[in-house]
Amino acid sequence: EPEVTQTPSHQVTQMGQEVILRCVPISNHLYFYWYRQILGQKVEFLVSFYNNEISEKSEIFDDQFSVERPDGSNFTLKIRSTKLEDSAMYFCASSDADRGRFYGYTFGSGTRLTVV
Amino acid sequence: RKEVEQDPGPFNVPEGATVAFNCTYSNSASQSFFWYRQDCRKEPKLLMSVYSSGNEDGRFTAQLNRASQYISLLIRDSKLSDSATYLCVVNRPAAGNKLTFGGGTRVLVKP
Repeated sequence: EPEVTQTPSHQVTQMGQEVILRCVPISNHLYFYWYRQILGQKVEFLVSFYNNEISEKSEIFDDQFSVERPDGSNFTLKIRSTKLEDSAMYFCASSDADRGRFYGYTFGSGTRLTVV
Repeated sequence: RKEVEQDPGPFNVPEGATVAFNCTYSNSASQSFFWYRQDCRKEPKLLMSVYSSGNEDGRFTAQLNRASQYISLLIRDSKLSDSATYLCVVNRPAAGNKLTFGGGTRVLVKP
């Protein structure tokens, strides 16, 4: 079964540093997403991306965050200057065309970001 | 009011028993409904979509009640491997493909 892959699985960074989380979506998918989950809390939407631009973003996704699809396969989330409260699991997901809203989508195994 | 609400549990279930729990959603325009399963510190995994007519997948049955704005999940013949957190997930048309997650219901199946 096709998978969404994320790297690294765990990243520890110092407060104020920039981090880039990487995702390889399922190959024929067109919609890409980032979600996050702070330990013990619910999964929260960050951003969706389609046709090389952001289609929707949440209040969490402020100027410190950016997303990019630098080539035909990778989808990245950059946090420019990490804060302690950015510590969370970050999940990437992708969906086939506009079907995600009807059929759900597949998440990657996540990157655990720890800001110290 | 939270957009998607769930009883956090835990629901302690003897192996072989049946367990059921609900989720309520606040926005009547919600269109698509899902149950995801999440194991500790792992990614959410799609368990099943929920259709208006109700649907079943093996030991799992999901129901949707649009009038009362809730969905339910029933697990029959619980297995130890069913121990997990079950996430209620909703999409509404104005939100594009964004999914809104509930906080999850924790189920512990014990021998």
